Amino acid sequence: EVQLVESGGGLVQPGGSLRLSCAASGFTFRTNWMHWVRQAPGKGLVWVSSINSDGSSTNYADSVKGRFTISRDNTKNTLYLQMNSLRAEDTAIYYCAKVLVAAACDYWGQGTLVTVSS
Amino acid sequence: QSALTQPASVSGSPGQSITISCTGTSNDIGDYDYVSWYQQPPGKAPKLMIYEVSNRPSGVPDRFSGSKSGNTASLTISGLQPEDEADYYCSSYRSNNNVVFGGGTKLTVL
Repeated sequence: EVQLVESGGGLVQPGGSLRLSCAASGFTFRTNWMHWVRQAPGKGLVWVSSINSDGSSTNYADSVKGRFTISRDNTKNTLYLQMNSLRAEDTAIYYCAKVLVAAACDYWGQGTLVTVSS
Repeated sequence: QSALTQPASVSGSPGQSITISCTGTSNDIGDYDYVSWYQQPPGKAPKLMIYEVSNRPSGVPDRFSGSKSGNTASLTISGLQPEDEADYYCSSYRSNNNVVFGGGTKLTVL
């Protein structure tokens, strides 16, 4: 059974940092692209970042470019999102998702809530 | 990075058919057959319903179908059921390995 379990969310002050993790199991993690997608309270889904199977290629939404860094450890079956210089508008549930093909994600975690507030 | 355009809400009665549109540009929907649709019940994670415009993952009922014409994709749900009530999001691959989502459509089953 495919499982994606996010962790690392919490309350952080503006300008602060957080590192999210996503533990994957039930599939061959090292062969799959992965995404981070976020959803602000009461709002829609927004793509944040993606990474290819070996971590050599990464992509970011303009809104997080230069502040967030996606990475992965295929020996630990874990995806990461390092978030720096956090802003109030980064407040959201952050989901990790397994890519089936191109932009389609066939498995999602339960999400971890990040709240940026003083 | 502008989002894809979806109607805010649609509604239908049980047994009816509804269609949700998703309008993009020539840089996403118009240029790539990588349109996906997700169903998200309140408080839950999204579920993939359609990928590559019209393909259904295993386990998704054939009442759900997808199509595309030009810069607009559509999700059709036939034989509407109460459990179909949820938020629906389209997404598309966009040039330079980016992904874009629609703003979401709330489906109400009357």
